[in-house]
Amino acid sequence: DTGVSQNPRHKITKRGQNVTFRCDPISEHNRLYWYRQTLGQGPEFLTYFQNEAQLEKSRLLSDRFSAERPKGSFSTLEIQRTEQGDSAMYLCASSLDPAGEKLFFGSGTQLSVL
Amino acid sequence: QKEVEQDPGPLSVPEGAIVSLNCTYSNSAFQYFMWYRQYSRKGPELLMYTYSSGNKEDGRFTAQVDKSSKYISLFIRDSQPSDSATYLCAMSRTSYDKVIFGPGTSLSVIP
Repeated sequence: DTGVSQNPRHKITKRGQNVTFRCDPISEHNRLYWYRQTLGQGPEFLTYFQNEAQLEKSRLLSDRFSAERPKGSFSTLEIQRTEQGDSAMYLCASSLDPAGEKLFFGSGTQLSVL
Repeated sequence: QKEVEQDPGPLSVPEGAIVSLNCTYSNSAFQYFMWYRQYSRKGPELLMYTYSSGNKEDGRFTAQVDKSSKYISLFIRDSQPSDSATYLCAMSRTSYDKVIFGPGTSLSVIP
């Protein structure tokens, strides 16, 4: 499968715990995006990378959220001290310059914070 | 006011009907306009892509962009039950900028 891969597919955690998600983009894609989606809403932009550089982070994003993309390959999204409001689908997408607007999404990681 | 607005539906139509989905936006700097389709428990997939104003047709799908009115549309002809999904409009200022999504319209095509 050469699509965008996200792990795990589901994560259940208790409030206050830290969680980390992984995204493996399409191999030749140099851009990688993280979005969050709640029921009945469209994907909300969190952050994106061009290669290993994090180019933009949403101003709405709490300091508890951090993302990395070492060596410009896979990416991880960590949420520290999870809250119930963090419960959502976390989507990763990748794209290839110069068609950066054509995103290819993974199936997402569904986070439930109890 | 959100940057991108979309009627959430749900929209229910009989098989074979013509479907019209619409979005409005507030930022006149948007130049790239996309429609994504999302099936339940799946990530969105790119359906149509248009640069600036005008129409684009791909099979049963037609995308229209009217930048003067800040209004975009997606038309689906001869709708099929397999078209039942959530349709998300999306846009960006440049091909290097982040993509902003609308809230999505849920569509059901009834056999």
